[in-house]
Amino acid sequence: LAKTTQPISMDSYEGQEVNITCSHNNIATNDYITWYQQFPSQGPRFIIQGYKTKVTNEVASLFIPADRKSSTLSLPRVSLSDTAVYYCLVGDEDSSYKLIFGSGTRLLVRP
Amino acid sequence: DAEITQSPRHKITETGRQVTLACHQTWNHNNMFWYRQDLGHGLRLIHYSYGVQDTNKGEVSDGYSVSRSNTEDLPLTLESAASSQTSVYFCASSESGVTYNEQFFGPGTRLTVL
Repeated sequence: LAKTTQPISMDSYEGQEVNITCSHNNIATNDYITWYQQFPSQGPRFIIQGYKTKVTNEVASLFIPADRKSSTLSLPRVSLSDTAVYYCLVGDEDSSYKLIFGSGTRLLVRP
Repeated sequence: DAEITQSPRHKITETGRQVTLACHQTWNHNNMFWYRQDLGHGLRLIHYSYGVQDTNKGEVSDGYSVSRSNTEDLPLTLESAASSQTSVYFCASSESGVTYNEQFFGPGTRLTVL
C-alpha cells in the first residue's frame, strides 16, 4: 500500500477555504485516493474519494493532478464544526479493502 | 436506518482477564474490520473478515482473536488483557466490490486495562 504524507496540523478561521495536501509519491496505477474525517471520541467518517482530476460532493472537493503523486482536499467556508483530524489514504481492490491510516492532519478552525 | 454498533462503550478490566468487545452491523456488509487507536495516533488494523467463517490477521493482531459466525457480528476477544492493550477500539464494515475505500465505523469502545 502506498504511503502518504500530510501536514501534522493546520489552523484556519471560520468562513475561510481550507486546502489540505497529501503526498503519495508511490501511488500505484489502480489506487484510489480517499479522505476521512474524525471528530474527537468518534470513528472516522468517509468524506470523498477520487482517482484523477476533480471530484466534488456536498462536503468537499478533491483535486488530483495528472501525475497523481499528490492530492488536495478542499473544504469551502469552514465552520467551527469542521475542527477534526483529516486522513488521506490510498488503496485499491488489490489491497483487499484494508485501510492504512497515518497520523492525519489536525485542523483547528478558530472563530 | 442501517448502522454499526459497539458494546460496551467503556470497559475497565484487570491484567490477565479475557475481554470480548462486540460489534454489530445492519448494513449486511461482507467486510468487517477491527482497529485500535492510541492517543494522538491514527488507526491500526487488528483483524478483518470478508465473510462468514473468514478471519485474517492485521498488522497488530498479537493477543487478539476474532470469529465470524454470521454476517452481522464480529466480536473481538483479548485472550489475556495487558496494559499495552489500553486503547480505543473501532469496528468498521464495508461492502465488497463497490467504493473500494469506504468503510463505516462504529462509535468506538474505550478499554482500560489496569
